Amino acid sequence: SQELEQSPQSLIVQEGKNLTINCTSSKTLYGLYWYKQKYGEGLIFLMMLQKGGEEKSHEKITAKLDEKKQQSSLHITASQPSHAGIYLCGADSRSGGSNYKLTFGKGTLLTVNP
Amino acid sequence: GAVVSQHPSRVICKSGTSVKIECRSLDFQATTMFWYRQFPKQSLMLMATSNEGSKATYEQGVEKDKFLINHASLTLSTLTVTSAHPEDSSFYICSARPFRGGLNEQFFGPGTRLTVL
Repeated sequence: SQELEQSPQSLIVQEGKNLTINCTSSKTLYGLYWYKQKYGEGLIFLMMLQKGGEEKSHEKITAKLDEKKQQSSLHITASQPSHAGIYLCGADSRSGGSNYKLTFGKGTLLTVNP
Repeated sequence: GAVVSQHPSRVICKSGTSVKIECRSLDFQATTMFWYRQFPKQSLMLMATSNEGSKATYEQGVEKDKFLINHASLTLSTLTVTSAHPEDSSFYICSARPFRGGLNEQFFGPGTRLTVL
């Protein structure tokens, strides 16, 4: 089964600082998804990456997928308290079959101090 | 955007009772819905995948008779926790995958907090 390692497990930054969260897979990723979760709430879809070397940005958040499609990073520029939450990466473990499902990393808890 | 609702958001029940949780896709049709369970400070654990009109596919270690899943329509899936016990207390989240060619993201519901006394 596919395993996703996220690092760091938790992160505390000062407002305005940049930060990066990493997600590493034990297998080639067919699709890599980034979600944000507030504790006790559902997940908010951030971005999806499929192609090696792909990079996507939305507002101050940039996600990249490496050429080998085994590692992804999420970068937040000039962090704000509104960015605080749990960031989860999820991998499409379809492996060419029709039984599509997502496997999630353990998450990174981000705290942004004003 | 795609919205998924869950009902109820919180439920407290006595041990031995059954609890039903509904998951609805409000503005799209979902060919597939997923049920997850999340323990405090842990990631989401996939419990089962349900396709409309067919039996759910359960992950290894998930009791089918304990967690009954029904996906009767393209916008509704239900999870029934039968004869609930305190160890079933958890945060249950559903997600729905819209039927769109080439796009595989899932849209998540807000979750249901189940507490079994």
